Amino acid sequence: EAGVTQFPSHSVIEKGQTVTLRCDPISGHDNLYWYRRVMGKEIKFLLHFVKESKQDESGMPNNRFLAERTGGTYSTLKVQPAELEDSGVYFCASSQDRLGRRNFNEQFFGPGTRLTVL
Amino acid sequence: AQKVTQAQTEISVVEKEDVTLDCVYETRDTTYYLFWYKQPPSGELVFLIRRNSFDEQNEISGRYSWNFQKSTSSFNFTITASQVVDSAVYFCALSEGDILTGGGNKLTFGTGTQLKVEL
Repeated sequence: EAGVTQFPSHSVIEKGQTVTLRCDPISGHDNLYWYRRVMGKEIKFLLHFVKESKQDESGMPNNRFLAERTGGTYSTLKVQPAELEDSGVYFCASSQDRLGRRNFNEQFFGPGTRLTVL
Repeated sequence: AQKVTQAQTEISVVEKEDVTLDCVYETRDTTYYLFWYKQPPSGELVFLIRRNSFDEQNEISGRYSWNFQKSTSSFNFTITASQVVDSAVYFCALSEGDILTGGGNKLTFGTGTQLKVEL
């Protein structure tokens, strides 16, 4: 079974440009999460989708960040315009439906996208 | 508010030594879950263990063991007879949740501990 995949693995852009990160969750996982780790700091929650709906977006830093999950499958996270402080590693994770007790509350993470804003 | 503290930024040990990674958490909920994840050089986060707040039994899995103590709000991780392949960043995380309704709650992570195991 394929794990969570993220694209691209690395992205280097200049301040003011736009970048779109993509996450493909494990097939059948309704829950999809975005997290971010700024260099040397903790991994911070950004938002949580249940299928195509935003369940919790309390961690989104500002309105330059836009996340979508059309059709409840893959998700994109767009940063527009990018600022220097947006640099970091963006992780995506997925987990089963709330009633999926076999993997209860276990989030499976992708390899992350390393974003560098110059 | 939830908080996870991993006071050890970096630990270096020689192979075959035992090493303990500390994790202290804060939460107001009575129902919560604690996790450890491993981040090898390849970058992905690998799930190691999940404990719920009602189960304080220590757990052992091969060379790995976990000590959960609610009295001190700690969930420490010990690697026995460390190996070079254990070199990674280890994250402790907390999730508040309801056992009856299931998961789907965000994780609050600590800053991670970089473990270096040398020959």
